[in-house]
Amino acid sequence: DVKVTQSSRYLVKRTGEKVFLECVQDMDHENMFWYRQDPGLGLRLIYFSYDVKMKEKGDIPEGYSVSREKKERFSLILESASTNQTSMYLCASSLRSAFRQGFYNEQFFGPGTRLTVL
Amino acid sequence: GENVEQHPSTLSVQEGDSAVIKCTYSDSASNYFPWYKQELGKRPQLIIDIRSNVGEKKDQRIAVTLNKTAKHFSLHITETQPEDSAVYFCAALFSGNTGKLIFGQGTTLQVKP
Repeated sequence: DVKVTQSSRYLVKRTGEKVFLECVQDMDHENMFWYRQDPGLGLRLIYFSYDVKMKEKGDIPEGYSVSREKKERFSLILESASTNQTSMYLCASSLRSAFRQGFYNEQFFGPGTRLTVL
Repeated sequence: GENVEQHPSTLSVQEGDSAVIKCTYSDSASNYFPWYKQELGKRPQLIIDIRSNVGEKKDQRIAVTLNKTAKHFSLHITETQPEDSAVYFCAALFSGNTGKLIFGQGTTLQVKP
């Protein structure tokens, strides 16, 4: 059974604080993703990583950075938290998809971290 | 750019009725379209997916249809039950990416007993 865990279910921080959200998967997946979920906006991709130390910007990377030093762990960093970053953050992982070969893999999600920035 | 539009945003049906959720996508090269279900307070989970070489796929009470010419795909749930109540997300895998999905905005389905 794939297991994706996130460090906190609920987090309250103050404006300007540096915030770390951690995600760990135990299935040796190459791909890891960070999404932000807001009502009416669906799941928006912040950053993803397809290998250790590799990262690519998603649709809304502004105000965020990521770190992937080990294959199983993908961290999302808010350098200086702001109130508009109050949201639900979801991590996901998947095996590498070979798009052109028609080989795809399901994304497995973590339980989410509800971050409130005051 | 890469975009997936999902409608409706909310859907309320009586138990036993059918529910249909529709999505359109922008990249004609997309060839993989999964649907995820997120129950209240839980994580999204894959319920069904379809690849572009197939026009329809069924799994018990759920089915997905794909029209590549029109660039839209739909989720059909028949004989709805209260446990079908959840938020449903469609997604499309865009060309040139290794596993990056673009998600629709989500549909909140309420099945009234």
